[in-house]
Amino acid sequence: GEDVEQSLFLSVREGDSSVINCTYTDSSSTYLYWYKQEPGAGLQLLTYIFSNMDMKQDQRLTVLLNKKDKHLSLRIADTQTGDSAIYFCAENRDTGFQKLVFGTGTRLLVSP
Amino acid sequence: EAGVAQSPRYKIIEKRQSVAFWCNPISGHATLYWYQQILGQGPKLLIQFQNNGVVDDSQLPKDRFSAERLKGVDSTLKIQPAKLEDSAVYLCASSPNRGQGNEKLFFGSGTQLSVL
Repeated sequence: GEDVEQSLFLSVREGDSSVINCTYTDSSSTYLYWYKQEPGAGLQLLTYIFSNMDMKQDQRLTVLLNKKDKHLSLRIADTQTGDSAIYFCAENRDTGFQKLVFGTGTRLLVSP
Repeated sequence: EAGVAQSPRYKIIEKRQSVAFWCNPISGHATLYWYQQILGQGPKLLIQFQNNGVVDDSQLPKDRFSAERLKGVDSTLKIQPAKLEDSAVYLCASSPNRGQGNEKLFFGSGTQLSVL
């Protein structure tokens, strides 16, 4: 299909790890991204991964990429209440020019 | 460095009225995007400019939506006439587009439109 899919909701306790999953559509996408959206704000780039990598770590964030299954995940270690937000994955489709297509978003709720 | 500026922050109109949104991207950013984000969904690209030229407007409802970026800097998005289903947050984003194929978008806070 054309849609980048994510599960709608994830609830964790403070200090636990969170794993947010994404299935993208275009196997030729060169870069894949994770954006964070807090209430009433625009999207903020968290991290990205190049398609020839299968893992990228950036402080508390770990991105895993399975190109064969077109599956992307974001792991947040030691999740804090400030991590509560909506997380969007996005793929960079090359249609002659670079075009970002966003997923449906996963709302992460972190409880104390 | 100043971020992407958008105005107004909120707008409430009645259906069939017209509305315009304004965006000032980060200085020097060549690419400007308008996204529509309906409640509970991810952002959907409406139009993408490279400097003052349109590179993608395939998902822009051209019978009612128009956008321009006359001098390759700021941009306006207009809806005329508005429909109920246009209620959404309209996000503007820009990227430096250094030709590396890694498009890092910087987003404004958006304009929340309610059509009654």
